[in-house]
Amino acid sequence: QLQLQESGSGLVRPSQTLSLTCAVSGVSITTGGYTWTWIRQPPGKGLEWIGLIYHSGTAYYNPSLKSRVTISPDRSKNQFSLNLTSVTAADTAVYYCARSIGNDYQDFYYMDVWGKGTTVTVSS
Amino acid sequence: QSVVTQPPSASGTPGQRVTISCAGSGSNIGRKNVNWYQQLPGMAPKLLIYSNDRRPSGVPDRFSGSKSGTSASLAISGLQSEDEADYYCATWDDSLNGAVFGGGTKVTVL
Repeated sequence: QLQLQESGSGLVRPSQTLSLTCAVSGVSITTGGYTWTWIRQPPGKGLEWIGLIYHSGTAYYNPSLKSRVTISPDRSKNQFSLNLTSVTAADTAVYYCARSIGNDYQDFYYMDVWGKGTTVTVSS
Repeated sequence: QSVVTQPPSASGTPGQRVTISCAGSGSNIGRKNVNWYQQLPGMAPKLLIYSNDRRPSGVPDRFSGSKSGTSASLAISGLQSEDEADYYCATWDDSLNGAVFGGGTKVTVL
């Protein structure tokens, strides 16, 4: 059964780097047809797409975060990671990872399996 | 401010039909498929409708989706108390070269 589990630092100091990992079980991240996505949700607010990655390493990022974000695959550990630099209080959120399905042109693109999420607080 | 717009709230009594709209533009809904996610209180979102009108296995058929032009809709027929949740539309935007979510609609069962 496919499962995704987020892990990482729950408290990050302002200006530091937020680092999270999504461990995938039940399917290989190199399986064709799948991409791997990060989404976040600030307290009391809606969902925000952060970015997606192919197992090859090709990535797409939210333009508003692009200068600060990196998503990377780790094929040996069957996981993928999120790094967000120069964080501020506005980056405080629940962070979700998800398996996504889409074609090369993203004519269709959706997240079909989600992790439970992990809370990250940015505070000194 | 999202590029796809949903009403912030909707409500209905048990058994009623509720419809949620999602308005976009030619760079997103006008040319891309739309998906809907349900987020129950305190839970992770769950895929409800994908590719405009397709239901994943296990989603009751009282949930249905449609798309016309640059807008999409989610309908809940026979509203039940367990349908009280936040609902988000999502699609890809070619101008942004990224995915976008609507702001979410909170459905209340009266």
